Amino acid sequence: NAGVTQTPKFQVLKTGQSMTLQCAQDMNHEYMSWYRQDPGMGLRLIHYSVGAGITDQGEVPNGYNVSRSTTEDFPLRLLSAAPSQTSVYFCASSSGLAGVVIDNEQFFGPGTRLTVL
Amino acid sequence: AQKVTQAQTEISVVEKEDVTLDCVYETRDTTYYLFWYKQPPSGELVFLIRRNSFDEQNEISGRYSWNFQKSTSSFNFTITASQVVDSAVYFCALSEPYFTGANNLFFGTGTRLTVIP
Repeated sequence: NAGVTQTPKFQVLKTGQSMTLQCAQDMNHEYMSWYRQDPGMGLRLIHYSVGAGITDQGEVPNGYNVSRSTTEDFPLRLLSAAPSQTSVYFCASSSGLAGVVIDNEQFFGPGTRLTVL
Repeated sequence: AQKVTQAQTEISVVEKEDVTLDCVYETRDTTYYLFWYKQPPSGELVFLIRRNSFDEQNEISGRYSWNFQKSTSSFNFTITASQVVDSAVYFCALSEPYFTGANNLFFGTGTRLTVIP
């Protein structure tokens, strides 16, 4: 098992550009999520999904878009990058069924370091 | 609202000293989970422990121990005989799966531990 994979590892964007951060897991996990980590602020939830076709907003969703067309993939789209989106982005997954909450250990990807100039 | 407070921003200890990292939380539910994660300088997030709100037994794993006290809403983490490899940022996190319907984590701001050889 590869676990949770994220691509790219590093990315530099110019203000206004758009891009997609990729996240994939091969553990058949229903729950997937995106967090951003900023200095002194810990990790904050951007968006999450409890199953294919179901997404919802977290604490800091503005400027980001997500979709979940398959169980394996949960891409995060930056619509028009801003310097305030410079951060490290982590994707996570855990087992659980849509409509049935089973809380388990969350598996984190290695992170994507994004810089917006 | 849910809240996780890690009041210690940075701690430095000399190798072989014991160190306790504090975590105080606020929750909206009677059933919740608490976590500790380690983030070494390489940047990945390493799961250390998960504890549910019904299990107040202290836990020991090698040099690591955790003290969960519902009466004071605290979940403190102690490293005994610290080593240089323990140098990292440590995050405490809270999950309220039955309140939110999802496995979302709410993180504290982290404590940076430096162990001086």
